[in-house]
Amino acid sequence: AQTVTQSQPEMSVQEAETVTLSCTYDTSENNYYLFWYKQPPSRQMILVIRQEAYKQQNATENRFSVNFQKAAKSFSLKISDSQLGDTAMYFCAFMKGNAGNNRKLIWGLGTSLAVNP
Amino acid sequence: DTGVSQDPRHKITKRGQNVTFRCDPISEHNRLYWYRQTLGQGPEFLTYFQNEAQLEKSRLLSDRFSAERPKGSFSTLEIQRTEQGDSAMYLCASSSGTGVSPLHFGNGTRLTVT
Repeated sequence: AQTVTQSQPEMSVQEAETVTLSCTYDTSENNYYLFWYKQPPSRQMILVIRQEAYKQQNATENRFSVNFQKAAKSFSLKISDSQLGDTAMYFCAFMKGNAGNNRKLIWGLGTSLAVNP
Repeated sequence: DTGVSQDPRHKITKRGQNVTFRCDPISEHNRLYWYRQTLGQGPEFLTYFQNEAQLEKSRLLSDRFSAERPKGSFSTLEIQRTEQGDSAMYLCASSSGTGVSPLHFGNGTRLTVT
């Protein structure tokens, strides 16, 4: 069975600075996908970034980037130039990549990030 | 793209009552998911539909829970004889059937059982 671990329940960062959120996972699969989702206080879950396991290049979306270390089963999220609107719960999630699976996500417990002015 | 819509946003009910939630996915999405989330936890998978077929149901879903997606469009989640432990946020998400498309979530329905 797959598991996802986020070891930082809470983090804080000053506006405009950089913060890194950690995520590790355990799987015997070789083909899979990893995601970071953001859940602001309004509660709607929003996709931040995704990474395909077969890609060596780390995914980047504007101020958000990941450090994907497949051998170490690590998938950290870096937020650069933090903004007040980045304040949210951040969830790391895993999905098996085999064709035909139901695309079910396995979630970590989340990291609560506070961006301070 | 109007996004995933869930109704109601909040529901307060007394223990033992039945409740029903509705989810309208993004129109071209054929996959629909229900998750449950309690405070301080990540979402827990409940069930999954591809079109109108319910393809997987979590062991978390007791026989008091039932979900339908009769025409492959909107879905309903019903909880019978609610218990206080059912209090949670119920999230609906949808995705397209092509490749590994990301899940798009609704705002959720917050259930409080008193």
